[in-house]
Amino acid sequence: AQSVTQLDSHVSVSEGTPVLLRCNYSSSYSPSLFWYVQHPNKGLQLLLKYTSAATLVKGINGFEAEFKKSETSFHLTKPSAHMSDAAEYFCVVSEGLAGRRALTFGSGTRLQVQP
Amino acid sequence: SAVISQKPSRDICQRGTSLTIQCQVDSQVTMMFWYRQQPGQSLTLIATANQGSEATYESGFVIDKFPISRPNLTFSTLTVSNMSPEDSSIYLCSVEGNIKNTEAFFGQGTRLTVV
Repeated sequence: AQSVTQLDSHVSVSEGTPVLLRCNYSSSYSPSLFWYVQHPNKGLQLLLKYTSAATLVKGINGFEAEFKKSETSFHLTKPSAHMSDAAEYFCVVSEGLAGRRALTFGSGTRLQVQP
Repeated sequence: SAVISQKPSRDICQRGTSLTIQCQVDSQVTMMFWYRQQPGQSLTLIATANQGSEATYESGFVIDKFPISRPNLTFSTLTVSNMSPEDSSIYLCSVEGNIKNTEAFFGQGTRLTVV
């Protein structure tokens, strides 16, 4: 069985400072891991994905995440926060056969960016 | 990538009535997934819909309350039956990409309010 734990429900940073959103996962197999972002009243947007290739994954809008199997972590980072980054972020895990995999979502981290 | 059209985008319904949500994908997919996002919460999988067979429901969700149809490889419906205010949520349809693309794609969601 797969599960995801997002360690912080809320994170607040100042504009221009680094962002760290933490995620730990549990999976019986080699998982695929994702970060999705959801802006208020908007749909889900994929930020980045890990699918057993490079452990350091670069995504859109300057975000990146590092897959650490030994720590079962997939933390999301960004060197410098922008006001437009304020949103809800979901760490997601899936396992199994491609095309047949449901996703397990973490509880979400709300990122606030202060001016 | 897959483009998903989901409708209605939002609705306000009277308690005790039913609402059917439609999900159309622009390509053939093996499985379609239905999720619920309650206010301020993360996404929870309701069921997995495979063409030609009965949907598989997650714990806490039953067919009588959330009947699902999957008549072909590009279309599915989810019905929320005998609605109560507790059913007020965003309902999302999702598919996974082809074998080479493990990303999941989401519809824009249906925002349901039950009064």
